[in-house]
Amino acid sequence: DQQVKQNSPSLSVQEGRISILNCDYTNSMFDYFLWYKKYPAEGPTFLISISSIKDKNEDGRFTVFLNKSAKHLSLHIVPSQPGDSAVYFCAAGIMNRDDKIIFGKGTRLHILP
Amino acid sequence: ETGVTQSPTHLIKTRGQQVTLRCSSQSGHNTVSWYQQALGQGPQFIFQYYREEENGRGNFPPRFSGLQFPNYSSELNVNALELDDSALYLCASGTSGSTDTQYFGPGTRLTVL
Repeated sequence: DQQVKQNSPSLSVQEGRISILNCDYTNSMFDYFLWYKKYPAEGPTFLISISSIKDKNEDGRFTVFLNKSAKHLSLHIVPSQPGDSAVYFCAAGIMNRDDKIIFGKGTRLHILP
Repeated sequence: ETGVTQSPTHLIKTRGQQVTLRCSSQSGHNTVSWYQQALGQGPQFIFQYYREEENGRGNFPPRFSGLQFPNYSSELNVNALELDDSALYLCASGTSGSTDTQYFGPGTRLTVL
């Protein structure tokens, strides 16, 4: 049973426009959420996180929104740039629970010129 | 670059064999976590080591075992390899309680024939 779901395997967005990647979760015990970016032949790189006590966290072009009642979070990238083309993983965890992170299957983002 | 290295890059084994994968963590980090990423899936948590002891385990059988050494290196051992063990194995080093600062290595691609 997947606790973290990314239902869009891929997404194509024009350069300069907004990219929105979505993620749903089922475990209400999760109290922090993370987004990772992965290029081919590299490990995942931490992008941005959000605690369950917040509903928004912003870092430069990246903003994560959390809707706890819907058990849904999204990552907004604006403006999208060619270097943003990568696989994006949504992940969730429970604070102080051995740092175990549950990952979604990922969404491949293509930024079109 | 995260400062986390893994060896070997690629490995081919046959069913029933044993394999040891290695990870060199960032200096100063006291946790190392291992993940298995099957094709088309997100990384799945295998276990974490903290101060050389197992500190949490995912849904993996006992034939998956690990070691963490004082010099920031660690090993993942898999006995009695099965075809389904074919995957990318990622290690991530970090500081206990600071999950968003886990740094992933590039991974070892294991193929079991």
